[in-house]
Amino acid sequence: AQSVSQHNHHVILSEAASLELGCNYSYGGTVNLFWYVQYPGQHLQLLLKYFSGDPLVKGIKGFEAEFIKSKFSFNLRKPSVQWSDTAEYFCAVSLNTGGFKTIFGAGTRLFVKA
Amino acid sequence: NAGVMQNPRHLVRRRGQEARLRCSPMKGHSHVYWYRQLPEEGLKFMVYLQKENIIDESGMPKERFSAEFPKEGPSILRIQQVVRGDSAAYFCASSGDGQETQYFGPGTRLLVL
Repeated sequence: AQSVSQHNHHVILSEAASLELGCNYSYGGTVNLFWYVQYPGQHLQLLLKYFSGDPLVKGIKGFEAEFIKSKFSFNLRKPSVQWSDTAEYFCAVSLNTGGFKTIFGAGTRLFVKA
Repeated sequence: NAGVMQNPRHLVRRRGQEARLRCSPMKGHSHVYWYRQLPEEGLKFMVYLQKENIIDESGMPKERFSAEFPKEGPSILRIQQVVRGDSAAYFCASSGDGQETQYFGPGTRLLVL
């Protein structure tokens, strides 16, 4: 069965620390990849996406992600986090299974200490 | 330029009642997706609809749950005879076609007493 795994459920960092959130998926076909963020009390917002082309994708607020096809991974990175990055981050994979079905990871809760 | 709209934002029901959740996609979008988020869990896909058609309902519970997206009006997620375990946040998303980015609504938080 297709699945998306996020390696860490909770991450605590100090401001200015570097961030890397892992995401792996299990599906052998063509995929579209996404990272969404959910700030406290708000709905999901798109951080970045990968459909094709350059596997290093830059998103909003200084985030980037790298698609490594051989590792089925799409890790999210930010060189220096801020307190305002405190949120829950979801990796998602859209599969072409006749229609497009999106599978979400369980999420990673990031808490940034000021 | 309104985004995805969901109503109500909060819904309280007693066990055995029916819950109707509405989702109006972004203007120009004809693909709608419903997800459920249980406390401390990620989003679980429920159903994917286009106008008047259910494309993929593999995530929908077999009983009590149904969804529609009529030619006119919002998409409706209907839960009959609710139970406490149905308490969750239900999110709707829409896209212009099935491959594009999904844009999410603010969710409906259902509480079953």
